[in-house]
Amino acid sequence: GENVEQHPSTLSVQEGDSAVIKCTYSDSASNYFPWYKQELGKGPQLIIDIRSNVGEKKDQRIAVTLNKTAKHFSLHITETQPEDSAVYFCAASIGSNYQLIWGAGTKLIIKP
Amino acid sequence: NAGVTQTPKFQVLKTGQSMTLQCAQDMNHNSMYWYRQDPGMGLRLIYYSASEGTTDKGEVPNGYNVSRLNKREFSLRLESAAPSQTSVYFCASPGLSNTGELFFGEGSRLTVL
Repeated sequence: GENVEQHPSTLSVQEGDSAVIKCTYSDSASNYFPWYKQELGKGPQLIIDIRSNVGEKKDQRIAVTLNKTAKHFSLHITETQPEDSAVYFCAASIGSNYQLIWGAGTKLIIKP
Repeated sequence: NAGVTQTPKFQVLKTGQSMTLQCAQDMNHNSMYWYRQDPGMGLRLIYYSASEGTTDKGEVPNGYNVSRLNKREFSLRLESAAPSQTSVYFCASPGLSNTGELFFGEGSRLTVL
């Protein structure tokens, strides 16, 4: 079946440094790629997304890049802050009706 | 405020007991989803409902039933709970902007002993 692989599973960075999380998808028909942040005890919240007709998208300290040929996309967080500590999930669209297949998640730890 | 509300937040069951998780959304969207989240496995779709009166299986439907009671409410039922159903369950629905964003409830943590 279709899947999304996400790496690394845990990422520890010094406050102020950059963090990069990578995902690879298998369904060549996927055309929507969101990233969600999940804080402890909460549901996931969308932080940024990208569609297949765009190669890169930025929102302040967060950016996402997409390489459709290689079927991978990445989340970049610059100037990391303590409040960036959370679990981050990538996902790729499959079929219709907002259906997504999800990566396994990356626990991001920001060291003071 | 727009959002997704699910209850209960915590539940402990014995093997073989039944229970229903409730979800309600006030964004007036047609679609609603039930996911389960297990450590190291991300979110997996159990069932979804594309509109009132319709439901469809997701990746992991076995052991669950759903009811789309009306446009606002979508419930998930475990008829005979098993330890393998110990998980955190999330309900979700898209917003009316139709950008693709899903809004999630805060989760229901279920333990089956």
